[in-house]
Amino acid sequence: QQPVQSPQAVILREGEDAVINCSSSKALYSVHWYRQKHGEAPVFLMILLKGGEQKGHEKISASFNEKKQQSSLYLTASQLSYSGTYFCGTDTGGGNKLTFGTGTQLKVEL
Amino acid sequence: GAVVSQHPSWVICKSGTSVKIECRSLDFQATTMFWYRQFPKQSLMLMATSNEGSKATYEQGVEKDKFLINHASLTLSTLTVTSAHPEDSSFYICSARLAESYNEQFFGPGTRLTVL
Repeated sequence: QQPVQSPQAVILREGEDAVINCSSSKALYSVHWYRQKHGEAPVFLMILLKGGEQKGHEKISASFNEKKQQSSLYLTASQLSYSGTYFCGTDTGGGNKLTFGTGTQLKVEL
Repeated sequence: GAVVSQHPSWVICKSGTSVKIECRSLDFQATTMFWYRQFPKQSLMLMATSNEGSKATYEQGVEKDKFLINHASLTLSTLTVTSAHPEDSSFYICSARLAESYNEQFFGPGTRLTVL
């Protein structure tokens, strides 16, 4: 079953912060976050592993609550380039096969 | 590093023809590659997992005889859409897993397939 993301869409003014949530119905081994611009492939942002390890982006942070089967992506001081659709990808089997979430459209305006 | 290429970037074909899409990891070896399909304004849906030197693993509902996958080397996987029909029109994206790191996946630029 596809992870559910919230909000579905958000509009920010440049410099504002945003939080994107990803909720799974299954236990998670890892959560991967990607940003996709229209007509392009997804770009890797961050990975969060069971046990607390993470690897990612300088200006983006995320949390992973294994118990609640949820992850949140925190975008601070948003820039115009942050616009796009954000997807979480969840690994529920430990084999690195990802199921992508419903997506969150983010638009940053001046 | 971790660059993945796809070819072609777009293709238009007639109904009934077959189309081959290539996915290459340019600066790393990928024992595992993944093929996704994405319809407009929708999320990515995993079609199959491609393993070097062995048969691909297909997701439920994906016809293995229609979507042929070959992972002939550590840097190349191909997806062939056989006897394509208009409903196969979609954005096909491959990804390669960077096994030496945190298993993050890096995506190719995608192939836009339009079947007339």
